[in-house]
Amino acid sequence: VQLVESGGGLVKPGGSLRLSCAASGFTFSSYSINWVRQAPGKGLEWVSCISATGNYIYYADSVKGRFTISRDNAKNSLDLLMNSLRPEDTAVYYCARSHQVVGLGGFDPWGQGTLVTVSS
Amino acid sequence: SYVLTQPPSVSVAPGQTATITCGGNNIGGEGVHWYQQKPGQAPVMVVYDDGDRPSGIPERFSGSSSGNTATLTISRVEAGDEADYYCQVWDTSSDHAAVFGGGTKLTVL
Repeated sequence: VQLVESGGGLVKPGGSLRLSCAASGFTFSSYSINWVRQAPGKGLEWVSCISATGNYIYYADSVKGRFTISRDNAKNSLDLLMNSLRPEDTAVYYCARSHQVVGLGGFDPWGQGTLVTVSS
Repeated sequence: SYVLTQPPSVSVAPGQTATITCGGNNIGGEGVHWYQQKPGQAPVMVVYDDGDRPSGIPERFSGSSSGNTATLTISRVEAGDEADYYCQVWDTSSDHAAVFGGGTKLTVL
């Protein structure tokens, strides 16, 4: 079971960035997937969740209206489109699978993370 | 919004038992999950649904939850257990949102 994030980098405030998460080793279409971020030296902050079929999507208030989560079950992939980026969005972004097929559950496993830096 | 409160730090000598608490309103009615994060690494789940262990996690790690407090207990602490530990629940009271505690730094003396 593996999750691999990509797409991080340096972006100016107000800019956009698309993160991707490639999954392997499990039936991707059976699990909800989450994005969780961690600002430098800070704790974990949940960002967004998408259900197995994509019918249910949830966002943290801090990113609602700016970030969009999506998934392609045919390609075993997950995206996070981030618009109107702010310096406080600077963080390592992890994708994390629900630990169980039914319900929201905990997060297991996690990817290795991708760093997003928002700075002029 | 739902808030989870953890002590910033816990210290324990090798071989002893470490107890890390996570406080939240009626947290005993939620499913609490715990994660270990070592420096420069992604978090790893060590306990799910209050007290179950994922495969590969040593039996030394256990969890419980009742009332307003959930607890992660690490028995026979080893130097390799030194890490940050986070609790997490889902807040489904309004819109769905996952909530993490602020994290506890476990120091092995």
